[in-house]
Amino acid sequence: DQQVKQNSPSLSVQEGRISILNCDYTNSMFDYFLWYKKYPAEGPTFLISISSIKDKNEDGRFTVFLNKSAKHLSLHIVPSQPGDSAVYFCAASVAYNTDKLIFGTGTRLQVFP
Amino acid sequence: DAGVIQSPRHEVTEMGQEVTLRCKPISGHDYLFWYRQTMMRGLELLIYFNNNVPIDDSGMPEDRFSAKMPNASFSTLKIQPSEPRDSAVYFCASSPGTSGRVTDTQYFGPGTRLTVL
Repeated sequence: DQQVKQNSPSLSVQEGRISILNCDYTNSMFDYFLWYKKYPAEGPTFLISISSIKDKNEDGRFTVFLNKSAKHLSLHIVPSQPGDSAVYFCAASVAYNTDKLIFGTGTRLQVFP
Repeated sequence: DAGVIQSPRHEVTEMGQEVTLRCKPISGHDYLFWYRQTMMRGLELLIYFNNNVPIDDSGMPEDRFSAKMPNASFSTLKIQPSEPRDSAVYFCASSPGTSGRVTDTQYFGPGTRLTVL
């Protein structure tokens, strides 16, 4: 009953190219979505977020797209850099309980030269 | 600020033993969260506190798990008795709770890797 799903456990991309990480969700009550980035032996750190009233949010090289009808969001990293190699977690919350985050299982991104 | 501090960073114990994980949140943060990370389930919220009061413990897997927050600067997560399936990385996070959405201001500690043999 995983409400937030990241179906690709890993992704390998060449430096300079685009990385696309995908996330699907099942709960139609989710109204806020986030991406966290995690390096080995460190805790996750907040990367970017998007409200359900938007379909795109951009921050530098990072853009998150939201498709509510498909219950799908994606994180685009352009251009990818070796320092982007990390595990990326998708997360979601509902308006009536904004304290609580539901995370996916994560996607390990490797950016090679 | 030193960030969220967790101890120990690694814990290896035998099945049946009591395990206590510790967390010191960032000073001034009103919210404290305990998460568990496993390969199968990703990051799961176990319990969270607001101003030292437990708000939601629905993620605590069973009665063997308990958490306390005796003051604003300290929290513990205890597993008694521990079992091999409890092996995971346990994260503590804190949040100031001053923004409109608490969720985008969570600061995570480095985690405690627990291995139960």
